[in-house]
Amino acid sequence: QTVVTQEPSFSVSPGGTVTLTCGLSSDSVSTRYFPSWYQQTPGQAARTLIYNTNTRSSGVPDRFSGSILGNKAALTITGAQADDESDYYCVLYMGSGIWVFGGGTRLTVL
Amino acid sequence: QLQLQESGPGLVRPSETLSLTCTVSGDSISSLTHYWGWIRQPPGKGLEWIATIYYTGSAYYTPSLKSRVTISVDTSKNQLSLKLSSVTASDTAVYYCARLDFYSYYMDVWGKGTTVTVSS
Repeated sequence: QTVVTQEPSFSVSPGGTVTLTCGLSSDSVSTRYFPSWYQQTPGQAARTLIYNTNTRSSGVPDRFSGSILGNKAALTITGAQADDESDYYCVLYMGSGIWVFGGGTRLTVL
Repeated sequence: QLQLQESGPGLVRPSETLSLTCTVSGDSISSLTHYWGWIRQPPGKGLEWIATIYYTGSAYYTPSLKSRVTISVDTSKNQLSLKLSSVTASDTAVYYCARLDFYSYYMDVWGKGTTVTVSS
């Protein structure tokens, strides 16, 4: 069974930089998995941040960026703000019509 | 403006079949460049992809639910549907419908979600 791994929690100071990662239990994450990232605040639907590894969705501030770091997909927030405090999910496309979510990272800004 | 609106019974009894509908406005469910799908989130837990369908009827399911799930589209009503059979308390969740980009394989538009509780 495919497992997509994310840090359960992370904290960052206001104005600081944080990198969240997205790994794969059975392989290295590469662009062929079309990694995407989503932000969710409690009680709300998810908001699309990044798709196709590093393309920002419309209206997403440029302090959010995506990349491949080593064998993982990464979401970097530069100049974190209080309203960035949310849950962040990565999704990998496994091919053959199958998508898998990571377990999510709860980001605290303090 | 594209909107996705989920609807369905808020309460389903154990062992019964959960049926949800997603009404799409502002786009055609027959779009050549998008899939349509369902994602769920149990209380206090993460998001889980359930199923995706293309307007032609080609459907894809998460392996853990494949034996109980059916996704379908009604192009005449511009609606997406989900049926989940033999539900248990572990199927209690917020269920979201979403549009997925055909080329970049990501969820680009989400519905607001509908809460389903499985309880007798």
